[in-house]
Amino acid sequence: DTGVSQDPRHKITKRGQNVTFRCDPISEHNRLYWYRQTLGQGPEFLTYFQNEAQLEKSRLLSDRFSAERPKGSFSTLEIQRTEQGDSAMYLCASSSEAGQGGTEAFFGQGTRLTVV
Amino acid sequence: RKEVEQDPGPFNVPEGATVAFNCTYSNSASQSFFWYRQDCRKEPKLLMSVYSSGNEDGRFTAQLNRASQYISLLIRDSKLSDSATYLCVVTYTGGFKTIFGAGTRLFVKA
Repeated sequence: DTGVSQDPRHKITKRGQNVTFRCDPISEHNRLYWYRQTLGQGPEFLTYFQNEAQLEKSRLLSDRFSAERPKGSFSTLEIQRTEQGDSAMYLCASSSEAGQGGTEAFFGQGTRLTVV
Repeated sequence: RKEVEQDPGPFNVPEGATVAFNCTYSNSASQSFFWYRQDCRKEPKLLMSVYSSGNEDGRFTAQLNRASQYISLLIRDSKLSDSATYLCVVTYTGGFKTIFGAGTRLFVKA
């Protein structure tokens, strides 16, 4: 499968625990995005990487959230001291660079986080 | 005000109907525009890009009005399989900040 893959698909954790999610983008894509989606809402932008550089972070990304893409390939999103409000689907997407315009973003199937 | 706003749903239409979705965006620096489709409990997938001159893909027609900062999607001859959430997407700042609308749900009934 050459699409975007995310791991795990589901995660249940107790409030206060730390969790880490992984995303493997399409191999030739240099752009990688993280989004959070709750029921009835569209995906909310969290952060963006171009290669290994994190170029933008949303205000939604509190200091409990950190994302890395150390070698410009896979990325991890860590949430520390989870809260019930963190329960959501975390989506990763990747795209290739194409001049000044945007290009199609391909999404992984997401990691569904439930904080109990 | 949200950066990308869409018609509130849901839209309930019979098979064969024509349905139109609207979307407005607030940042005039927006560069690229897309419609994505998201099925229940699935990831979003690109439906079509939106070009300034308007574009059509089968039963789907997308329009962009940069002056009014408005995007539309028209679906003709609706099929049961068109039932999904349609997400309006805007990118800017060199194409990397990609903002999604909240989505409009469509239900097509037999």
